[in-house]
Amino acid sequence: EVQLVESGGGPVQPGGSLKLSCATSGFIFSGSTIHWVRQASGKGLEWLGHVRNKGNNYATAYAASVKGRCTITRDESENTSHLQMNSLKIEDTAVYYCFRQAGTIDAWGQGALVTVSS
Amino acid sequence: QTVVTQEPSQTVSPGGTVTLTCASNTGAVTSDYYPNWFQQKPGQAPRPLIYSTNNEHPWTPARFSGSLLGGKAALTLSGAQPEDEADYYCLVYYGGVWVFGGGTKLTVL
Repeated sequence: EVQLVESGGGPVQPGGSLKLSCATSGFIFSGSTIHWVRQASGKGLEWLGHVRNKGNNYATAYAASVKGRCTITRDESENTSHLQMNSLKIEDTAVYYCFRQAGTIDAWGQGALVTVSS
Repeated sequence: QTVVTQEPSQTVSPGGTVTLTCASNTGAVTSDYYPNWFQQKPGQAPRPLIYSTNNEHPWTPARFSGSLLGGKAALTLSGAQPEDEADYYCLVYYGGVWVFGGGTKLTVL
């Protein structure tokens, strides 16, 4: 069974950093692109960025809104992707999701809530 | 800045047909944009419905279909069921980055 499980959410102070993990199982991680998305309460989905697979040189791409504050990486030995975001603001409060793309986009994690508050 | 626009809300009667659309401020959405559609119910993660314009996943109910319509990506629901009430999002590829539409809240009433 394909699974993606986000972890690392919780409260963070403004100006702080977050590092979320997306642990995967049930598929060939090395063949997939991993995307990160967030959703503020009552709002729509926002694509944050992705990290591609080895065949695509682990290339990353980011939304303009978070470029420079956001880094997406992957650990092939752990079948896990990480999202690091710095200089957090109140408006970064959201549920953060990862999803996989292996040809098609077909599986999402359940999300991790990050609350930025003083 | 790339903006993808969806109808904020739509209503369909049970058994009825509704089409949701997904437009780009950069011009016509074509198959080169690989439009995807997702369904999201309250408290749940989004569920993929359609990929690459008009391809259904194995779990996609047959009443959902994707297409291109008048320069937009479209999701058509034929024979709406109460359980189809949800938010629907399109996701479009812009040569390196992806952008979600703002979502459509579909009411079955």
